[in-house]
Amino acid sequence: GQQLNQSPQSMFIQEGEDVSMNCTSSSIFNTWLWYKQDPGEGPVLLIALYKAGELTSNGRLTAQFGITRKDSFLNISASIPSDVGIYFCAGYPIFSSNTGKLIFGQGTTLQVKP
Amino acid sequence: EADIYQTPRYLVIGTGKKITLECSQTMGHDKMYWYQQDPGMELHLIHYSYGVNSTEKGDLSSESTVSRIRTEHFPLTLESARPSHTSQYLCASSTGGGRAFFGQGTRLTVV
Repeated sequence: GQQLNQSPQSMFIQEGEDVSMNCTSSSIFNTWLWYKQDPGEGPVLLIALYKAGELTSNGRLTAQFGITRKDSFLNISASIPSDVGIYFCAGYPIFSSNTGKLIFGQGTTLQVKP
Repeated sequence: EADIYQTPRYLVIGTGKKITLECSQTMGHDKMYWYQQDPGMELHLIHYSYGVNSTEKGDLSSESTVSRIRTEHFPLTLESARPSHTSQYLCASSTGGGRAFFGQGTRLTVV
């Protein structure tokens, strides 16, 4: 079953505001991935994290691999209207390291008011 | 960067028909995945493969079946489509433990 808890479920913010979302699990993860999905399209990879404590940026996006290896965070600075979409965290639990099973959080729907 | 392709992009089909959704990748990835997603909702893993001739069922029970005869190809088959199968089906591939890339998805409607 589902092992990743993503929050918040949805956000409605003003353009220019910063955004934070996170994913937590009771299991240890080897890798954390963050995706953005536009309506009717497949998810697009934003950031990949491979080590505990790692902090990685991609433009206005910054993600961190939690020290405990059970959580990850995504921040978006100075949001713009094109940031609208659904953001998903995903990861490979340590117990699935042989098979590469990739599981997803429930998603955070972001809406930006101009 | 993501060389993974799904066909068809959209499919409307009658109840009881057999369908196959195609997924191919040219990145040489060992791991491939099928997810089912309703609009605006979470992705549910229905099948995954960690190599040729190795497939596993995912967390969401599905009446579909998959095969992995070649590294680059991971088709999904429904023997008898039903309206409850209406959904978006997303295929992905990865090296396992690394970055995973998605196709554009197949929007299936069963009438």
